[in-house]
Formats: sequence, C-alpha cells, structure tokens
Amino acid sequence: QVQLQESGPGLVKPSETLSLTCTVSGGSISSYYWTWIRQPPGKGLEWIGYIYFTGRTDYTPSLKSRVTMSLDPSKKEFSLTVSSVTAADTAMYYCARDIGDGALDIWGQGTMVTVS
Amino acid sequence: SSELTQDPAVSVALGQTVRITCQGASLRQYFVSWYQQKPGQAPVLVIYGKNIRPSGIPDRFSGSSSGNTAALTITGAQAEDEAVYYCKSRDTADNSRLFGGGTRLTVL
Repeated sequence: QVQLQESGPGLVKPSETLSLTCTVSGGSISSYYWTWIRQPPGKGLEWIGYIYFTGRTDYTPSLKSRVTMSLDPSKKEFSLTVSSVTAADTAMYYCARDIGDGALDIWGQGTMVTVS
Repeated sequence: SSELTQDPAVSVALGQTVRITCQGASLRQYFVSWYQQKPGQAPVLVIYGKNIRPSGIPDRFSGSSSGNTAALTITGAQAEDEAVYYCKSRDTADNSRLFGGGTRLTVL
C-alpha cells in the first residue's frame, strides 16, 4: 500500500526559503504526477503544482515565480521549495499522488509550516 | 484564470439525499474530482473521472456533470459524512489545477 510522508522544518523566517520533502513508500515513484497542496489555517485547499516522474513540472500561476519542485527516483522522494516566504505562506502542506485526470488518490498526513 | 464555485454550506437530514455542486467554465471540458475533509485530517478522494469511486468509498456517493456544473450526491447521508467537500478540476486559461472553495456539509 502506497504511503506518503512529508518532512521539513515547521518554522521558517520571513524572506527565507521553505523546503519540504515527500517520501513515497510501498510503491513506485515512476508514473503519476506528484503534487503539492497547501491549506492556510481555517481556509480552503490551494493546488501548488506537480512534478511528473519525467521531471516535467507545472505550477500555479500565483506562486510560479517562487516555487521549485524536484524529484529523486533513487530515494523515492520529491521536494518543494518556496522562496521569499511571508506570513501568507503559513499553511498545512500536503503531498499527494495524482493518478491522472487530476484525481489525488493518496495524500500524506500533512506538515504544518509557520512563517514567523 | 478560471474559478470553481461552491456553496459555502449545505445541510441535510440524516438519511436524506444531498447534492453538492461545483460550477466553473472548465467543467465543460475537464473531469472533476471530489474530496472529503474531516477536521484535523487530510482530504480523501471520494469521486473522480466519470463517476468513479475509489476502493473503500461507500456507494451512497456518486458524481455527475452537465454543462458547467458538476455535482456530488450523497444518497442516504450518514452522520459520518459531515465534513467539508472540495471539487477540483483544471484551469482552462493555463491548464493548471484548482480547487473550489469547499462546501461544509452538516448532517442534522
């Protein structure tokens, strides 16, 4: 059974870079669109972007200038960096697997990141 | 960019049927997926594609789409269905993905 686990610092200073990693266990990282989503406290879900197993990426326009995603097949990990963070980047960050047609069938438990 | 519009809140009596809708121009071209999120938990996929339920999702959940509106229907709502439901699809402007604002379902 495929599982995802986010990891990274829970506190980031303003203007610095947020870095998170998602580890895939119980299955292959090949195929699929590996996705990041975030949710500010008390608010809705925001799609950040995905990295395909080939390395192709797509990011939401509002974050495109600050977001980078990468993938390491040998470690079965994919990563997210968000540069120049502000308090508005404070959120629960989830990684998820997109099986195609946008369906996110497996999610990590999420990791809370506070910018302060 | 496109938007997906959902009613902020909906209520249903226990055992009755409720329809949660999602409106957006992209729904004329692309499939929608639906997610259930309970407090303190990660979202769970409940419907995707052409009304496909992932393994473990009760058959009281179903999806439909017509024109620019997609709907998630719960037939015989249970107390455990109380949650926030999000739709997700594509943005026709730039092909990125986006979520609706979410609908909080209360089971009375």
